[in-house]
Amino acid sequence: KAGVTQTPRYLIKTRGQQVTLSCSPISGHRSVSWYQQTPGQGLQFLFEYFSETQRNKGNFPGRFSGRQFSNSRSEMNVSTLELGDSALYLCASSLGKNTGELFFGEGSRLTVL
Amino acid sequence: AQSVSQHNHHVILSEAASLELGCNYSYGGTVNLFWYVQYPGQHLQLLLKYFSGDPLVKGIKGFEAEFIKSKFSFNLRKPSVQWSDTAEYFCAVTQTNTGFQKLVFGTGTRLLVSP
Repeated sequence: KAGVTQTPRYLIKTRGQQVTLSCSPISGHRSVSWYQQTPGQGLQFLFEYFSETQRNKGNFPGRFSGRQFSNSRSEMNVSTLELGDSALYLCASSLGKNTGELFFGEGSRLTVL
Repeated sequence: AQSVSQHNHHVILSEAASLELGCNYSYGGTVNLFWYVQYPGQHLQLLLKYFSGDPLVKGIKGFEAEFIKSKFSFNLRKPSVQWSDTAEYFCAVTQTNTGFQKLVFGTGTRLLVSP
């Protein structure tokens, strides 16, 4: 079956703009998590959605937000972009139960100029 | 706050050499432990996981990891590496009460296996 699909794969924005990233989970997966990956900080948890509800949140400012739709697809939004937001944003889906395995997409690479 | 330390940032080995990658975590409560791997050009994927029970867990491709609670460690091992094991390896932990989706990752270890 198809894996986790993230769009767009690459994008360039300028400071102050906003960006929306999209994630389509594996069919049947109800949980979608988002992570930010940077060379300095590694992988950091942003938030997790399950059945359209945010279930967990990491330590990121309010400029980072997300949502999940009834078909489990998820979007994350970053407003008022800063240079430090340049990163690879990874989406991961899971059944939402305690299986312990996340299935990651290939990521959306955001460059902020 | 929870943290995960991976001591080796870069490891270079020859084929057939043995591998051990260190991982230590800081949380004192009940945790679940994972190793994820990212092969060149591919997405992150689960290598193995520990929830409870036998502290020696076996994963895919001949990898194993040992949970030592007293040392807060979960080191990854493989007796004989292959060129195809070249990848970046991430140790991760979750608290059992926050769910399996909120992973705290280490900074990763890049393994290069020379043929």
